[in-house]
Amino acid sequence: DQQVKQNSPSLSVQEGRISILNCDYTNSMFDYFLWYKKYPAEGPTFLISISSIKDKNEDGRFTVFLNKSAKHLSLHIVPSQPGDSAVYFCAASAYNQGGKLIFGQGTELSVKP
Amino acid sequence: DVKVTQSSRYLVKRTGEKVFLECVQDMDHENMFWYRQDPGLGLRLIYFSYDVKMKEKGDIPEGYSVSREKKERFSLILESASTNQTSMYLCASSKGTDFYGYTFGSGTRLTVV
Repeated sequence: DQQVKQNSPSLSVQEGRISILNCDYTNSMFDYFLWYKKYPAEGPTFLISISSIKDKNEDGRFTVFLNKSAKHLSLHIVPSQPGDSAVYFCAASAYNQGGKLIFGQGTELSVKP
Repeated sequence: DVKVTQSSRYLVKRTGEKVFLECVQDMDHENMFWYRQDPGLGLRLIYFSYDVKMKEKGDIPEGYSVSREKKERFSLILESASTNQTSMYLCASSKGTDFYGYTFGSGTRLTVV
């Protein structure tokens, strides 16, 4: 049972435009959400996070939006740059799961010059 | 710079072999995790550990075991490797319930032939 789902395996965007990556979850106990970025031959690195008490968190070109009623979150990258090309993983955790993260399938973003 | 080091980047093993994947962190983190990454399935948790000599099963523990004799080292063991264990294996560590504090290693690409 996939508790965290990223239904788009890939996304292609033109440089300078907005990239929107989506993530859905099923477990209502999740209270913390994160996005990780992974380049080939490297481990994932933390990008941005959001607590369930917020609906938006922004860090430079990256913004994460959380819609708890829809159990949906999205990552917006504006403007997109070729160096953003990577696989993006959505992850979630519940307070009572002691820091264990549940990851989605990942979305491969390609930003074309 | 903090690090999670996985002993091998690439491994090729034969079916039925016993395989050891080693992970060492230098951050004095309590928590350590083993994930495998497969196309379309994302990162799936195999085993994790909150302290020395402690271990917990993740979502897909079958065919694997782990060992944590020292705080900094977490080993993943494939008792009898099979071809369906061909995958990218990622080790991570974190401190307490620091959800965005996951630090990943670079991964080990294991091929079982």
